[in-house]
Amino acid sequence: ETGVTQTPRHLVMGMTNKKSLKCEQHLGHNAMYWYKQSAKKPLELMFVYNFKEQTENNSVPSRFSPECPNSSHLFLHLHTLQPEDSALYLCASSSSVGRDQYEQYFGPGTRLTVT
Amino acid sequence: AQRVTQPEKLLSVFKGAPVELKCNYSYSGSPELFWYVQYSRQRLQLLLRHISRESIKGFTADLNKGETSFHLKKPFAQEEDSAMYYCALANSGGYQKVTFGTGTKLQVIP
Repeated sequence: ETGVTQTPRHLVMGMTNKKSLKCEQHLGHNAMYWYKQSAKKPLELMFVYNFKEQTENNSVPSRFSPECPNSSHLFLHLHTLQPEDSALYLCASSSSVGRDQYEQYFGPGTRLTVT
Repeated sequence: AQRVTQPEKLLSVFKGAPVELKCNYSYSGSPELFWYVQYSRQRLQLLLRHISRESIKGFTADLNKGETSFHLKKPFAQEEDSAMYYCALANSGGYQKVTFGTGTKLQVIP
């Protein structure tokens, strides 16, 4: 499959559960991102990884734990979430060089519902 | 802090009418502005960037530093233009830290 893929596409979890979101990109990029999209709010950048190293953490609560084992894969581990964490979580990737960095390629998202 | 404002949640226009999607930004440095679009059942994708000064699918956007605006325009709307449009800003020193607006839904009425 080409582009950026995300699994699962939908996830319902209780506040005491632990789950993980997965993102994979097949574009040869070295930068990967997690965004949160809530209703009536702008898309919020959560984390940025460059060459597997985290370069941006936008004051995200520790109940969200990212992992980037290689430049093609990105995970978001979730534990003890709150109902207000329900949102669409988008993964994106881009080049790590020059102005091409901001042409980000997005995945379809994971719709997360916390009950 | 950088901020992007899209004042309209919904913009409805008739086919063939001109379109202007408004975007204002707040940033003290030298910004890089661009527009992303999300068509129904498709993923978010880059539409155009201000430095390219290009026209994509008939859309153009001019950066007005005096008014801190980057409005998206098209002279004649088409039905296939119906989508969510997001204005976004990155600072020239950190292209990866992109700030998005809340988006405007464009509805082109046949």
